[in-house]
Amino acid sequence: AQSVTQLDSHVSVSEGTPVLLRCNYSSSYSPSLFWYVQHPNKGLQLLLKYTSAATLVKGINGFEAEFKKSETSFHLTKPSAHMSDAAEYFCVVSDQKGFQKLVFGTGTRLLVSP
Amino acid sequence: DTAVSQTPKYLVTQMGNDKSIKCEQNLGHDTMYWYKQDSKKFLKIMFSYNNKELIINETVPNRFSPKSPDKAHLNLHINSLELGDSAVYFCASSQDREAWSSYNEQFFGPGTRLTVL
Repeated sequence: AQSVTQLDSHVSVSEGTPVLLRCNYSSSYSPSLFWYVQHPNKGLQLLLKYTSAATLVKGINGFEAEFKKSETSFHLTKPSAHMSDAAEYFCVVSDQKGFQKLVFGTGTRLLVSP
Repeated sequence: DTAVSQTPKYLVTQMGNDKSIKCEQNLGHDTMYWYKQDSKKFLKIMFSYNNKELIINETVPNRFSPKSPDKAHLNLHINSLELGDSAVYFCASSQDREAWSSYNEQFFGPGTRLTVL
């Protein structure tokens, strides 16, 4: 069975500084990994995904994530935070076996101050 | 052009009532899903349908009954609503049902906030 641990429930940064949101996963098979973002009272938007191709994945809005199998990690980074990045971020795993079933982490609230 | 739409956006109702939430996708996808997001923002899959056929049922109470009249629609009917059903319900769709597919990303609707009083 697969699972995800998001290590921080809240992360606070200043505008213009780097962002790091941490995620560790557990998977019985080769995993697909995703980061989704949820702005207040909105639906979920896919930021990026990893499906066993390049380990460094680039997404929308300047975000990227690196798949590290030895560390079972898939941390999300951005070089410079923007006020509009303030939102809830979910790390998601899916075993690459059987029917698709996304398993979500508990989320990290990113706060960006001016 | 809305890809995955849900109606209604908000639903407030009394305990014991029966209600439905509708979902439609215009992406031409074969697979649709229902997720529940609780008050702590935790998201969990409830059901998955592929071409009108139920393929995932995550031990949801049988008061919840999904129905897929065609592959573009997946509705959720809830009988005898309870306080604990209050949540945001998200519909999603993906092109393929297989987890190993390159087309395995899921597109989410805007959510329906259900409040049971």
